[in-house]
Amino acid sequence: GAGVSQTPSNKVTEKGKYVELRCDPISGHTALYWYRQSLGQGPEFLIYFQGTGAADDSGLPNDRFFAVRPEGSVSTLKIQRTERGDSAVYLCASSLTRRETQYFGPGTRLLVL
Amino acid sequence: DAKTTQPTSMDCAEGRAANLPCNHSTISGNEYVYWYRQIHSQGPQYIIHGLKNNETNEMASLIITEDRKSSTLILPHATLRDTAVYYCIVRVAERETSGSRLTFGEGTQLTVNP
Repeated sequence: GAGVSQTPSNKVTEKGKYVELRCDPISGHTALYWYRQSLGQGPEFLIYFQGTGAADDSGLPNDRFFAVRPEGSVSTLKIQRTERGDSAVYLCASSLTRRETQYFGPGTRLLVL
Repeated sequence: DAKTTQPTSMDCAEGRAANLPCNHSTISGNEYVYWYRQIHSQGPQYIIHGLKNNETNEMASLIITEDRKSSTLILPHATLRDTAVYYCIVRVAERETSGSRLTFGEGTQLTVNP
């Protein structure tokens, strides 16, 4: 079956711009996670959704980052006033429930110039 | 979540078994050991997980010591396509409000040589 998909696969933007990154989880998965991975490091947790609500957003680095999941399926990670330090791979994962195995998408590579 | 320690890098000859160790000496009774791998420029791929007993699937075997303080991921016949960073992660089985976030370390870079 279809796995987690993320769009775009690559995004280049200029400092100060706004970007949106999309995640389509595996159908029927209620839990959705966003992670960020900088070069040479392991992924770091950003936010977790259970259904439509953000159950844990403690990993978001600051208030420029925001994520939504309005219908409990697709999620969008939004970054305002991008900075060069935001350049990273943004990964999305989903699981059937919060207790089940997480499956990752291919990631969106964000480059802020 | 308990911290894990893995070697930074390992080499393995193609066709041989690759044995990747992980130390998790502070693991709690309700924490699982998960293994993921990440091939260059791809998202992490789930391999296997276990609580107490050894586990085997089509990709690998997971051997967990009796005291649960360490584990070994075994790829029985490594191929060039198994070259990747392998992450050992300890994950709480249940967490009331925060889901079960995965805490990645730096992993082990496994290089399978022809």
